[in-house]
Amino acid sequence: AQSVTQLDSHVSVSEGTPVLLRCNYSSSYSPSLFWYVQHPNKGLQLLLKYTSAATLVKGINGFEAEFKKSETSFHLTKPSAHMSDAAEYFCVVSDANAGGTSYGKLTFGQGTILTVHP
Amino acid sequence: ETGVTQTPRHLVMGMTNKKSLKCEQHLGHNAMYWYKQSAKKPLELMFVYSLEERVENNSVPSRFSPECPNSSHLFLHLHTLQPEDSALYLCASSPNLGSYEQYFGPGTRLTVT
Repeated sequence: AQSVTQLDSHVSVSEGTPVLLRCNYSSSYSPSLFWYVQHPNKGLQLLLKYTSAATLVKGINGFEAEFKKSETSFHLTKPSAHMSDAAEYFCVVSDANAGGTSYGKLTFGQGTILTVHP
Repeated sequence: ETGVTQTPRHLVMGMTNKKSLKCEQHLGHNAMYWYKQSAKKPLELMFVYSLEERVENNSVPSRFSPECPNSSHLFLHLHTLQPEDSALYLCASSPNLGSYEQYFGPGTRLTVT
């Protein structure tokens, strides 16, 4: 079984300040974890992924996330927010490593809406 | 663009209508997926196809009927829907079943009146 909890439904930051979007996961096997972003009226775009290699993962647009097994966390960060970062962000866990009949089923968090103020 | 297209982008239908959503992927992938995104709820996986065979039907009501005629196309046929079926319907594809990454289309915004 797997699940994802995004700890904040809304985050508001000023342009140029750091961004932190929090995610905790639960998995009975070694998880694969992702962050997706969804801009208004657009589909989901993959920001970054963790698949059991380096625990610090760098993605597109300056975002990065760190896999911390001891804390079961995969928080998304960016040093300096840009207006174009305003969107909804989803933390996602995959069962691709579960073996057996698993097929890479994605389980999504509830989403965090990021607002960036000028 | 992600290489996954969906038509129409917006659809308004009455509860007695029959309509279809179309998804096409230009990535050479073998697996395709339908998801439902409702307000204030996590994305829900509806159907999974691998090489045109359905491998998952996630307890979806029979008023939703998927069709996958080939690995590039996926349809969702709709009939006698309810207002609570109003949502954003997202299509995705992946290289193979079990691939880590899925590539999403822009979605169809469905409103049932």
